[in-house]
Amino acid sequence: GDSVTQMEGPVTLSEEAFLTINCTYTATGYPSLFWYVQYPGEGLQLLLKATKADDKGSNKGFEATYRKETTSFHLEKGSVQVSDSAVYFCALSHGDSSYKLIFGSGTRLLVRP
Amino acid sequence: DAGVTQSPTHLIKTRGQHVTLRCSPISGHKSVSWYQQVLGQGPQFIFQYYEKEERGRGNFPDRFSARQFPNYSSELNVNALLLGDSALYLCASSFTANTEAFFGQGTRLTVV
Repeated sequence: GDSVTQMEGPVTLSEEAFLTINCTYTATGYPSLFWYVQYPGEGLQLLLKATKADDKGSNKGFEATYRKETTSFHLEKGSVQVSDSAVYFCALSHGDSSYKLIFGSGTRLLVRP
Repeated sequence: DAGVTQSPTHLIKTRGQHVTLRCSPISGHKSVSWYQQVLGQGPQFIFQYYEKEERGRGNFPDRFSARQFPNYSSELNVNALLLGDSALYLCASSFTANTEAFFGQGTRLTVV
């Protein structure tokens, strides 16, 4: 079945460092791909998405490119801030079950001043 | 406008008991989905309801059930609670069955 694999955390960075969180997926065809963020004590917020190969999703300085050849959707940000500390989830939805999101296990990011 | 609201925010139950969790979608949204997030894991899909009908069900036992009301709010019911049911239960609403999902803050259920 469809699945999402994320790099394990926690990822600890200093403010203004470059961020990469790896995400790979297993799915037939062309799923839609998402990154969600969960701040402490809150629900999930959609950060960005891409619906077809080579699409780049971007929001709030974060970017991710849908790579069909490597089945990846890595999250990047050029300069992280303390306020970016949160848990990041990669997810996909697919085909006839497009209403159903399949999530990775999450990666905790801690940004130190 | 209010976002997705869930109640209660926290709940403690004993093994074998029954629990009902509630969700009010964003105004105008007709679809509600439920997810279970066990500590340290990603959310897992339980149910989706659209226009008061079940559209999808995840790999959960029959102890889990849900329904959607005419005002599009929803309840998730879990019978015969197990310790392993302890989790954050997230509700998400969307305008239709296949549009962007907006999540509530969740209900933290602890089974003792």
